[in-house]
Amino acid sequence: DGGITQSPKYLFRKEGQNVTLSCEQNLNHDAMYWYRQDPGQGLRLIYYSQIVNDFQKGDIAEGYSVSREKKESFPLTVTSAQKNPTAFYLCASSVETSGVYEQYFGPGTRLTVT
Amino acid sequence: AQSVTQPDIHITVSEGASLELRCNYSYGATPYLFWYVQSPGQGLQLLLKYFSGDTLVQGIKGFEAEFKRSQSSFNLRKPSVHWSDAAEYFCAVGAYMDSNYQLIWGAGTKLIIKP
Repeated sequence: DGGITQSPKYLFRKEGQNVTLSCEQNLNHDAMYWYRQDPGQGLRLIYYSQIVNDFQKGDIAEGYSVSREKKESFPLTVTSAQKNPTAFYLCASSVETSGVYEQYFGPGTRLTVT
Repeated sequence: AQSVTQPDIHITVSEGASLELRCNYSYGATPYLFWYVQSPGQGLQLLLKYFSGDTLVQGIKGFEAEFKRSQSSFNLRKPSVHWSDAAEYFCAVGAYMDSNYQLIWGAGTKLIIKP
């Protein structure tokens, strides 16, 4: 089955530690995205990548970093510089349909930093 | 600036009753519009989308939405809700920003179903 895998589902870290969230897709999609979701808020874009070895900052990139060395993989590192890292993180990929990109989502990773 | 507004944070509906979730957008060009659904602790699933053509679009799970350009709206409807429809619903607009395509998201509407 094609889809987007995010692991782990739950992640716990101590303050001051960097942590990397995994996102893998086997949909052969070119574009991939990372969003952050907080209770009562919509999705906020952290980073996106439209092609391998290239990525752009979204609205809230500070304290995060990404890489895109392979088409299938787009890991997100939450650094110790991120002031409020506890959140639900969603990875998505997209495919063009009639000139418009339709996004597909992974199941998410809930990160708790204490 | 581009934006999406979902005016209702929560909506409570009795099982079997009809549903309408509101979505208004602000975007200068022809909008590409989406509705997604999210069950608690899960990712988002695409319900339906509008790109062009017929302004009434059908989606999965018995949902439909109507694009009204004059009102800048894309409201989601379902004639009879089921308890399994309890979830959070997000409206989004696809937009080109600095030549890059992004989705602009509403804050979501949480649907509560009364038995």
